[in-house]
Amino acid sequence: DQQVKQNSPSLSVQEGRISILNCDYTNSMFDYFLWYKKYPAEGPTFLISISSIKDKNEDGRFTVFLNKSAKHLSLHIVPSQPGDSAVYFCAASALLQGAQKLVFGQGTRLTINP
Amino acid sequence: DARVTQTPRHKVTEMGQEVTMRCQPILGHNTVFWYRQTMMQGLELLAYFRNRAPLDDSGMPKDRFSAEMPDATLATLKIQPSEPRDSAVYFCASGIPSGQVNTEAFFGQGTRLTVV
Repeated sequence: DQQVKQNSPSLSVQEGRISILNCDYTNSMFDYFLWYKKYPAEGPTFLISISSIKDKNEDGRFTVFLNKSAKHLSLHIVPSQPGDSAVYFCAASALLQGAQKLVFGQGTRLTINP
Repeated sequence: DARVTQTPRHKVTEMGQEVTMRCQPILGHNTVFWYRQTMMQGLELLAYFRNRAPLDDSGMPKDRFSAEMPDATLATLKIQPSEPRDSAVYFCASGIPSGQVNTEAFFGQGTRLTVV
């Protein structure tokens, strides 16, 4: 039962162009959403997040959009840089029993081509 | 420099052996997560704890996996007996400093387990 889905296993983008990574979720209880970036042989690192009361959050080159009615979020990276090549994980959070349960998607491997 | 520490970084073991993975969460974080990274499932949630109490371990194969927090500075994930299909990278993460909600979790570098 995959509650958070990233349907694109990989994405290739030209340097300088926009990268758009997508994520869908199924559980309406999720109220906080995060994107993580992962390099090989390292743990995932937090990138950006958004609360369910917002529809957009921007941090430098990274913007996350949330469409609650569609249960869909996306991460935009513009302009894309070679250092952005990594696996990106979408995560959704719900407060259950006083603790934040964090569920991740399958990941999307982003490759930025020079 | 606060960070989540996992040991060992790599483990190769024979099928049937017991494996113990350890995690030291960031001091002050009251939630600890165990994830397994697989190609098909991505980061699969195995179990998580709040204030050392297990909240949900439904993601773990109960017959062979167990997760505990003997104290606030140590979380363990055990597999007994181990099987080749358990080969994966196991991540520990901690988050939610007391008094906060909806913050990010911080990951360790993972334990790469190979069962032969």
